[in-house]
Amino acid sequence: GNSVTQMEGPVTLSEEAFLTINCTYTATGYPSLFWYVQYPGEGLQLLLKATKADDKGSNKGFEATYRKETTSFHLEKGSVQVSDSAVYFCALTGTGYSTLTFGKGTMLLVSP
Amino acid sequence: NAGVTQTPKFRVLKTGQSMTLLCAQDMNHEYMYWYRQDPGMGLRLIHYSVGEGTTAKGEVPDGYNVSRLKKQNFLLGLESAAPSQTSVYFCASSYPRTGSATNYGYTFGSGTRLTVV
Repeated sequence: GNSVTQMEGPVTLSEEAFLTINCTYTATGYPSLFWYVQYPGEGLQLLLKATKADDKGSNKGFEATYRKETTSFHLEKGSVQVSDSAVYFCALTGTGYSTLTFGKGTMLLVSP
Repeated sequence: NAGVTQTPKFRVLKTGQSMTLLCAQDMNHEYMYWYRQDPGMGLRLIHYSVGEGTTAKGEVPDGYNVSRLKKQNFLLGLESAAPSQTSVYFCASSYPRTGSATNYGYTFGSGTRLTVV
C-alpha cells in the first residue's frame, strides 16, 4: 500500500535559517504529492502540491520538488520566520484514488 | 466563507456513552472524510464518502459509524465510547481527483477534541 515517511521532529531553528524537512514515499503508479501545514489549535491547510515527476510546488516561500527517481518530496524554505512554527505533513494520493495518506508530521519551532 | 464546519469543538465522554460529531461543508464537494489525529501517529482515515448516501471504511474504522444523508453533511458516530477513542477528529472535503489532480486538495475543519474518561 501507499505510505509516507517524514523526518522526526521537532526541528528547532533560529529565525532566518534554512529549512529542510525530508519526505519519502512508497506508492504504485503516479501519485500526487502534497504538503499540509497545521498551526496550533487549527485544522490542516494545503501548503503546496505537485502532480507529476519534476514538478515544483511553491507557496509562501516554501518549495518542494517531486523526485520520482528518489521517491522524495522534501520541503525547503530559504529563511524561516517565527510565524512558520507549526506541524508540517507530507501526504500523497495514489493513482485512481482520492483519499490522502499522511506522514506522521514534523513539528517546526522557530525562535527569534 | 465557512468552508468546513465541525461541531462540537470539545467534548468529554464517559466510557460507554455515545455521541455524534457533525461535519458540514458549503463548497458543494462530492467527497468527505473523517480522520483522527493522535500524537506520533499523524492522521489516520476512519471513514469516507464519495457521494450522498455512500460511505466506505478507511484505515481505522472499528468503533465508528458514519452517515451521509445529505451532500453537505457527514456524521461520525461513536456508539459506545472507549478511552482509546480519545483523539482529535478532523473532517475534510474535496472534489473527486481526476486526471492530473491539478485542482485537487482537501479542505479541513478545525477539529473536535474528544476525551473519553
